[in-house]
Amino acid sequence: QQQVKQSPQSLIVQKGGISIINCAYENTAFDYFPWYQQFPGKGPALLIAIRPDVSEKKEGRFTISFNKSAKQFSLHIMDSQPGDSATYFCAAHISGTYKYIFGTGTRLKVLA
Amino acid sequence: NAGVTQTPKFQVLKTGQSMTLQCAQDMNHNSMYWYRQDPGMGLRLIYYSASEGTTDKGEVPNGYNVSRLNKREFSLRLESAAPSQTSVYFCASSEPGEGSEKLFFGSGTQLSVL
Repeated sequence: QQQVKQSPQSLIVQKGGISIINCAYENTAFDYFPWYQQFPGKGPALLIAIRPDVSEKKEGRFTISFNKSAKQFSLHIMDSQPGDSATYFCAAHISGTYKYIFGTGTRLKVLA
Repeated sequence: NAGVTQTPKFQVLKTGQSMTLQCAQDMNHNSMYWYRQDPGMGLRLIYYSASEGTTDKGEVPNGYNVSRLNKREFSLRLESAAPSQTSVYFCASSEPGEGSEKLFFGSGTQLSVL
């Protein structure tokens, strides 16, 4: 099954709080897991990505946690800011192809 | 360096009309893609081109055709538009990166089919 299930659909966080978005997959042929950030009227932009041989990757306030045995990965946004308000998509790359499977997106709103 | 440029940004069609969405990239990438984005469904791959001269179907190719005109340009054509093709369309190009191809998206074309 080539699906990536993303939750929650929407999220409201206070400024300075932690935003957590989760994704789960079933297909073990996935070999790369990026997160994309999309602002209204713009295309998605790569935010951070992880390979399955790593359990955590941190870039500034953004961290991916990866649990290979549970087939789950999550995005943590520390010290969330109003400028982080956007839609976030997780994705999974199918090994040996040019194809990505995207999650359904999470609309994040950070309150000032 | 404009990245990935899509035209038009907005388009309204009547059922049965045809149109071509244009995409060009200036990053010298080999691979290019067309995705559609629908509420609650994420991004779905319509067609992709791994290199100049090649095209392949993605998840939802029915009702669409593509042309890889040269290395820079990849167009998407709707021959007979249907209301089910109302969507936001994104073109992307990619370069090899850590682990896999790194996607760069254009700003999208919002298409309404009445």
